[in-house]
Amino acid sequence: EDQVTQSPEALRLQEGESSSLNCSYTVSGLRGLFWYRQDPGKGPEFLFTLYSAGEEKEKERLKATLTKKESFLHITAPKPEDSATYLCAVGSSNTGKLIFGQGTTLQVKP
Amino acid sequence: NAGVMQNPRHLVRRRGQEARLRCSPMKGHSHVYWYRQLPEEGLKFMVYLQKENIIDESGMPKERFSAEFPKEGPSILRIQQVVRGDSAAYFCASSPLDGGEQFFGPGTRLTVL
Repeated sequence: EDQVTQSPEALRLQEGESSSLNCSYTVSGLRGLFWYRQDPGKGPEFLFTLYSAGEEKEKERLKATLTKKESFLHITAPKPEDSATYLCAVGSSNTGKLIFGQGTTLQVKP
Repeated sequence: NAGVMQNPRHLVRRRGQEARLRCSPMKGHSHVYWYRQLPEEGLKFMVYLQKENIIDESGMPKERFSAEFPKEGPSILRIQQVVRGDSAAYFCASSPLDGGEQFFGPGTRLTVL
């Protein structure tokens, strides 16, 4: 069964304190691994897609990496505006749907 | 290019009434997905549609729920005889390709009294 597990559930950082979020997955044929950001009361906002192990993508203070079993979202020198829930999802080669993890809620304090 | 549009943003229904949720995909996108987010839970897939076709409805409850994406107009998620357990945020996403990035709308928050 396709499954996505994110850790930690919640993370509190001081402004400027770098850290990483983890996304472990099992899927029958990875079509892509997707990272989203969700603010309270809003829809998920697309961040990155990773397709194969070893791939990396960056956007401002965020960097996503992928191995055969997990993905990491590295946050470098975060700012309070980076506070949000970060969602990881996988697409299976068998279907167009995305399977989401429970998310990591990040709070960055000034 | 406007993003995915959903309406209404908030919907209140009494038990037993019908709820109709609408989704207009991004321009040029022919793949539409519906997801449900229950309080304190993650996003769960419900149904995947292309124009006039249901591709995958494996996440849809067997009763009371239906979805369509007609040739003209928005995609509709219909919930008949709503119950309190249907209270959730319903998100629509669209994609230009099967298996490509999905872009989400702002969601419809359904409250069943």
